[in-house]
Amino acid sequence: DTAVSQTPKYLVTQMGNDKSIKCEQNLGHDTMYWYKQDSKKFLKIMFSYNNKELIINETVPNRFSPKSPDKAHLNLHINSLELGDSAVYFCASSQVPSGGPQETQYFGPGTRLLVL
Amino acid sequence: AQSVTQPDIHITVSEGASLELRCNYSYGATPYLFWYVQSPGQGLQLLLKYFSGDTLVQGIKGFEAEFKRSQSSFNLRKPSVHWSDAAEYFCAVGAGVGKSTFGDGTTLTVKP
Repeated sequence: DTAVSQTPKYLVTQMGNDKSIKCEQNLGHDTMYWYKQDSKKFLKIMFSYNNKELIINETVPNRFSPKSPDKAHLNLHINSLELGDSAVYFCASSQVPSGGPQETQYFGPGTRLLVL
Repeated sequence: AQSVTQPDIHITVSEGASLELRCNYSYGATPYLFWYVQSPGQGLQLLLKYFSGDTLVQGIKGFEAEFKRSQSSFNLRKPSVHWSDAAEYFCAVGAGVGKSTFGDGTTLTVKP
């Protein structure tokens, strides 16, 4: 069973369209993340949620809106897609160990978004 | 705010040679440090982590890392590199629930 899954794996779309990427984890984790990895492989956190509550919202355009319907899902909706949104988007999840503030993250396989 | 620097963008080593990837961090409290590996076309996978205790930590695939507080470093090492180790390596520092910062990554190329 895949621990963290993302759909779709590839997404090619036109500028101006609206698209969603879905993420699901079956690890029972409380915290989920979205990262953007650009063509230079730089990995930047976009959002993190803990128990469906937003923890981090980095300087991401408000065209990006995360939605967490439950602890196992964190979807990313993108409005009015732009060329610069082309990247690989990774979902991840983690669980805070008892008494510990930090955690290992488990990453999905990524969604390769290409905006034409 | 925490930060992570990986000074080497790209490293090339010969198969069988030793490897050291550098990582320097900046964080005001006790750091929680991680190394992740990303194989081509894949997501990231944890290699090892340091929370506390022994400053030399062992990870998967024969990797180890040493935490040096005085140098704010957490360098990754492997005594003998295999061709399958060619990948992107990321160092990360954790700063609380849901808060992690990743370095810019080091691309490892392995020559036959």
